[in-house]
Amino acid sequence: NAGVTQTPKFQVLKTGQSMTLQCAQDMNHNSMYWYRQDPGMGLRLIYYSASEGTTDKGEVPNGYNVSRLNKREFSLRLESAAPSQTSVYFCASSSIMNTEAFFGQGTRLTVV
Amino acid sequence: QKEVEQDPGPLSVPEGAIVSLNCTYSNSAFQYFMWYRQYSRKGPELLMYTYSSGNKEDGRFTAQVDKSSKYISLFIRDSQPSDSATYLCAMRGGGADGLTFGKGTHLIIQP
Repeated sequence: NAGVTQTPKFQVLKTGQSMTLQCAQDMNHNSMYWYRQDPGMGLRLIYYSASEGTTDKGEVPNGYNVSRLNKREFSLRLESAAPSQTSVYFCASSSIMNTEAFFGQGTRLTVV
Repeated sequence: QKEVEQDPGPLSVPEGAIVSLNCTYSNSAFQYFMWYRQYSRKGPELLMYTYSSGNKEDGRFTAQVDKSSKYISLFIRDSQPSDSATYLCAMRGGGADGLTFGKGTHLIIQP
């Protein structure tokens, strides 16, 4: 049982480049989330999707876009990467009825 | 003031000791409370979750929630070196709008 799978695991971008982080879950969860984790800042919510077809901004959405492709997949796009977006990105999912969130292993992104 | 406050540590204790980890929060709408463990360069792993006030025990771990004081705790009994990790508290209201995390406490169990 894979749980939440993120790709890629590592990425280095140049300032201004774009990329999409992929996330897929196999737990039939309704809700999916993207967080970023920075030293001294903890985990902060970027965007979330309460159910298929809906997305909403979290605490730090600027510079990002998301797509809930289907119930399984939720992608995060950086249109024009900036050094301030250097971080570890985590995708998570949860069932509406079951409130625990399960996390992927993260994507380490460096923007130079 | 941040919504969730958590001492970042590091907290260093000898093997076998009882560990107490704590968070305070300000948002009275929080109803669900979780503790995650995160090893270096890994994703957060759910340890415990509790709805509203009360205690919950699972093996060596006990989670406590006191909503009147806006204070949650995680106790680890008979601590082991393998418990060395960062422990994150997290909480949410009744909707599906994501978790609010503390910054995490770095715990070191000395053999």
